[in-house]
Amino acid sequence: KNQVEQSPQSLIILEGKNCTLQCNYTVSPFSNLRWYKQDTGRGPVSLTIMTFSENTKSNGRYTATLDADTKQSSLHITASQLSDSASYICVVSDFAGNNRKLIWGLGTSLAVNP
Amino acid sequence: DTGVSQNPRHKITKRGQNVTFRCDPISEHNRLYWYRQTLGQGPEFLTYFQNEAQLEKSRLLSDRFSAERPKGSFSTLEIQRTEQGDSAMYLCASSSSGEQFFGPGTRLTVL
Repeated sequence: KNQVEQSPQSLIILEGKNCTLQCNYTVSPFSNLRWYKQDTGRGPVSLTIMTFSENTKSNGRYTATLDADTKQSSLHITASQLSDSASYICVVSDFAGNNRKLIWGLGTSLAVNP
Repeated sequence: DTGVSQNPRHKITKRGQNVTFRCDPISEHNRLYWYRQTLGQGPEFLTYFQNEAQLEKSRLLSDRFSAERPKGSFSTLEIQRTEQGDSAMYLCASSSSGEQFFGPGTRLTVL
């Protein structure tokens, strides 16, 4: 069964600190892996999208890594801000065509405190 | 605003009533998706359109649910005879090739 598992389930950090979120997947065949940020009551917003040939991709203070061999990904947030408080969801596509087959993780809920 | 828009943002209804949600995708995006998301869960795929054709429906989409995209632009999702279990956030996304862009969602509460 295709699955996406994320850890930790929730995380609390102080403003200005760094953190790393983990994603393990068993999806096969693998097309791409995405990280989304979802604020409470809003739709998900894409942070990064990586294919199997990409090891790392950055978007401002967000850096995602991908190890397609071990089927692991991480999202590193640098110098956290209060506005980073959100749910971060790892999503894996198992269809290389139009990417409609997305397998969603349950997300990591991040709280950044002053 | 050229992003995906959804209306209404919030809907409260009584059990047994019908509700209809609207999604306006990003212009020229030919693909449109509907998802349902409950608290603490990731979005669950409901259905997918390419232009006006509904190409896939999840088993989650019972016969009380119907979606249309008559002109290949905006889409509507109707839920008939709502049940309390239908309470959720209903998300719409659109894409042209790969990445899906999500709307803000419609929060449905069935009393």
